[in-house]
Amino acid sequence: QTVVTQEPSLTVSPGGTVTLTCASSTGAVTSGYYPNWFQQKPGQAPRALIYSTSNKHSWTPARFSGSLLGGKAALTLSDVQPEDEAEYYCLLYYGAAGVFGGGTKLTVL
Amino acid sequence: QVQLVESGGGVVQPGRSLRLSCAASGFTFTTYGMHWVRQAPGKGLEWVAVISYDGSIKYYADSVKGRFTISRDNSKNTLYLQMSSLRAEDTAVYYCAKTPVTYYFYGMDVWGQGTTVTVSS
Repeated sequence: QTVVTQEPSLTVSPGGTVTLTCASSTGAVTSGYYPNWFQQKPGQAPRALIYSTSNKHSWTPARFSGSLLGGKAALTLSDVQPEDEAEYYCLLYYGAAGVFGGGTKLTVL
Repeated sequence: QVQLVESGGGVVQPGRSLRLSCAASGFTFTTYGMHWVRQAPGKGLEWVAVISYDGSIKYYADSVKGRFTISRDNSKNTLYLQMSSLRAEDTAVYYCAKTPVTYYFYGMDVWGQGTTVTVSS
């Protein structure tokens, strides 16, 4: 069974920079896994941030960026704002089937 | 604006069936793939199924394969999820979401607000 692994939790100070990663149990993540990133706040539906590794949606703030880093997909938040505190999920594709990571709870403190 | 509205959730006994609907508006439904994603109480997101823009191609998570069927009616701009042989572990909020690029399978951009399914006797 394929497992997608994210950091369970991270803490960052306001104005700081943090990188969340997304690893695959099958090996290095490449663009062929079409990495996606989502933000979810309590009681809300997920909000899409990044698709196909690094493409932003029209509503994605400029301080969010996606990349491949050291064999993993990565989401970097720069100049972190208090409102960025949330759960973040990555999604990888194995063929046409998607697998979400377990999520990273980001605390802004 | 682009909008997705799920409906059809409720409380259902184990082994029974339920059909979810997702009404789409504000975009050309016939050119986008569509997904179902679910989230069990207090848990993370789980991808459930995807359907191509014309309904000809469908893929499922192993956890629902053979029990759930994704379909769409492009004349009604509506996506469906027929769920049968329901189990307690299918209890979740079910979201529909559209793909970000036309004629594409991968990823989601706009999500609905979800509909809750509770499987319990």
